Amino acid sequence: GAVVSQHPSRVICKSGTSVKIECRSLDFQATTMFWYRQFPKQSLMLMATSNEGSKATYEQGVEKDKFLINHASLTLSTLTVTSAHPEDSSFYICSARDGKGGNYGYTFGSGTRLTVV
Amino acid sequence: AQKITQTQPGMFVQEKEAVTLDCTYDTSDQSYGLFWYKQPSSGEMIFLIYQGSYDEQNATEGRYSLNFQKARKSANLVISASQLGDSAMYFCAIRAGGYQKVTFGTGTKLQVIP
Repeated sequence: GAVVSQHPSRVICKSGTSVKIECRSLDFQATTMFWYRQFPKQSLMLMATSNEGSKATYEQGVEKDKFLINHASLTLSTLTVTSAHPEDSSFYICSARDGKGGNYGYTFGSGTRLTVV
Repeated sequence: AQKITQTQPGMFVQEKEAVTLDCTYDTSDQSYGLFWYKQPSSGEMIFLIYQGSYDEQNATEGRYSLNFQKARKSANLVISASQLGDSAMYFCAIRAGGYQKVTFGTGTKLQVIP
């Protein structure tokens, strides 16, 4: 079945540094990638939607200069948290849409637990 | 905009019993899809079941069935013969709108009691 590899699974970084999270579709082309953030005991909140080769569309209230999304190829999308602060500590998870079925078109990565100290 | 409402923050069920997790939705789209996902403590999102808005029959996947009542805009998940491994967070979600975004509800924490 469709697989999305997300790395790293856990990362601890110092306040003020940047962290890059990668999501790679292993056996299909991800035309659209969705990035979510989940705070403890809360729901998944959509941060942004990216289509290959175009700029990401951010949800209201999400700082586009802080959360940089790149979707340069049909198999790779990255989320960079710039100048991270403790309040950015969260669980980040990507979801790739391939439009060909397999979980009805949406495959999730395994998530990245970010801790900013 | 799409909205999912899950009114049960937590549920308990006895092992081997059936349990229903509630979900109501709101969308102005005629074509949409409804999902249920399971999220164990590890954080991964496990796809359980899908119902399309035009599907006339309720979806079933093994022990999971989706009770789809379109007029009431509800999409309840029924888990039959609960197992200890079913203990997890369960999210209802809707696919609709531009880019076919998936919007999640607040989730229900299910605990299966031996």
